[in-house]
Amino acid sequence: AQSVTQLDSHVSVSEGTPVLLRCNYSSSYSPSLFWYVQHPNKGLQLLLKYTSAATLVKGINGFEAEFKKSETSFHLTKPSAHMSDAAEYFCVVRGNTGNQFYFGTGTSLTVIP
Amino acid sequence: NAGVTQTPKFRVLKTGQSMTLLCAQDMNHEYMYWYRQDPGMGLRLIHYSVGEGTTAKGEVPDGYNVSRLKKQNFLLGLESAAPSQTSVYFCASSNIWTDMNTEAFFGQGTRLTVV
Repeated sequence: AQSVTQLDSHVSVSEGTPVLLRCNYSSSYSPSLFWYVQHPNKGLQLLLKYTSAATLVKGINGFEAEFKKSETSFHLTKPSAHMSDAAEYFCVVRGNTGNQFYFGTGTSLTVIP
Repeated sequence: NAGVTQTPKFRVLKTGQSMTLLCAQDMNHEYMYWYRQDPGMGLRLIHYSVGEGTTAKGEVPDGYNVSRLKKQNFLLGLESAAPSQTSVYFCASSNIWTDMNTEAFFGQGTRLTVV
C-alpha cells in the first residue's frame, strides 16, 4: 500500500529564513511524488514532481525537493521564505496502479514578518 | 485554458436534500477524481473514474454516487445530504501514467455546507 506522512502539521518561519517541510512515503516500487500548495480558499497548485529522473527536483517559486530512497523521504525546502509562501502544503504519492493519488494530511506554513 | 472547472463554487443544503456537483475538464484526460477536504485530514478520495463509463470507490464513498457519461465530465451526487458531508470538494483529472504525464490537475473547489 502507498501512503505519505507529513511530519509537521504546522511550521512557522521568519521571512528570509530557510523553509523545511518534511514528508516520508511508503511504497513498494519506484514512486511518483509531488508537492502541491494551497493558498487560502484556493485550489491546489503543483509545486514540483519527482518521476525517477534527477533526485533533486526544482519547482516553482524557488522550492526544491530531494528524493532519498534510503530514507523514504521527499522533503521540501526553500532557501529564503517570502510572505507569499504562507499556505498549506501537501505531499502526494501516485499509487502503483497509476490511477490514484494519496495525500498527506498537510503542513500549514506561517511566515512571520 | 480552463483546465478543470467545478460548479457550483458554493452551496448550502438542508439535511435530506439532494444535489449534484459537476466537474468538467478540457485536457482529454482519462482519469478523473472526486476528493473531500476536511481540516487536519488532507484530501480523501471519494470516487474516481479511469475512463468514460467507468467508476470506482475510493476511501470514503458512503453517501455519494458518481457518473461519467462523457469523458470530459464527472458528476458527484449526494442523494440525501447529512451535516457530516459539510466539506470542501475538489475534482481532479490526470492522464494515463507515463514518465512524462504523472500529475493531477485540480479544480478550484466547491464549498458545501449542510445544515
